Amino acid sequence: AQKVTQAQTEISVVEKEDVTLDCVYETRDTTYYLFWYKQPPSGELVFLIRRNSFDEQNEISGRYSWNFQKSTSSFNFTITASQVVDSAVYFCALSEAPTGRRALTFGSGTRLQVQP
Amino acid sequence: KAGVTQTPRYLIKTRGQQVTLSCSPISGHRSVSWYQQTPGQGLQFLFEYFSETQRNKGNFPGRFSGRQFSNSRSEMNVSTLELGDSALYLCASKIGTADEQYFGPGTRLTVT
Repeated sequence: AQKVTQAQTEISVVEKEDVTLDCVYETRDTTYYLFWYKQPPSGELVFLIRRNSFDEQNEISGRYSWNFQKSTSSFNFTITASQVVDSAVYFCALSEAPTGRRALTFGSGTRLQVQP
Repeated sequence: KAGVTQTPRYLIKTRGQQVTLSCSPISGHRSVSWYQQTPGQGLQFLFEYFSETQRNKGNFPGRFSGRQFSNSRSEMNVSTLELGDSALYLCASKIGTADEQYFGPGTRLTVT
């Protein structure tokens, strides 16, 4: 069975600090996809990134960066120079690729509060 | 391009009643999935429809059902509502099988 663990329930930082959100996953498949979503107070889940299991290259998008390490089954998310607008709940998710098992398994989420 | 829309946004029902929620996917997206979000259980997968066929189903009782129409719009129905069904119900759509899902704003259901 697949599982996603986000051990950090809540993180509070001051604006302009860097913050890393941890994500550890478990799966028996060799082909899978990892995702990060942001859920602001409005409730809508906003897609941030998708990474497939064969692509271990780190990715940077503006102030956001992701570190994927298969050796430790981790897919961590770093926000550089955090801003108040980054305050939200962030979810890491896993989708196994084989036919019939493409549902997203979500972690429990990390609530990030960025204080001005 | 319009995003995923869900109606209604808020709903209050009484135990024992049934409810139908609606989801319109992004134009061109043929896959629609439903998730339930509660403080206790987090985000849980309900089911996925693709081309009017249920392709995948989560671990929920038979009171939870869904369907998809030829225009890819989807509905989910919950019969004999229980207090524990109070949740945010999120719908997500995607183009194909391995693509990222885009979520709607959700329907917040309160069962009293």
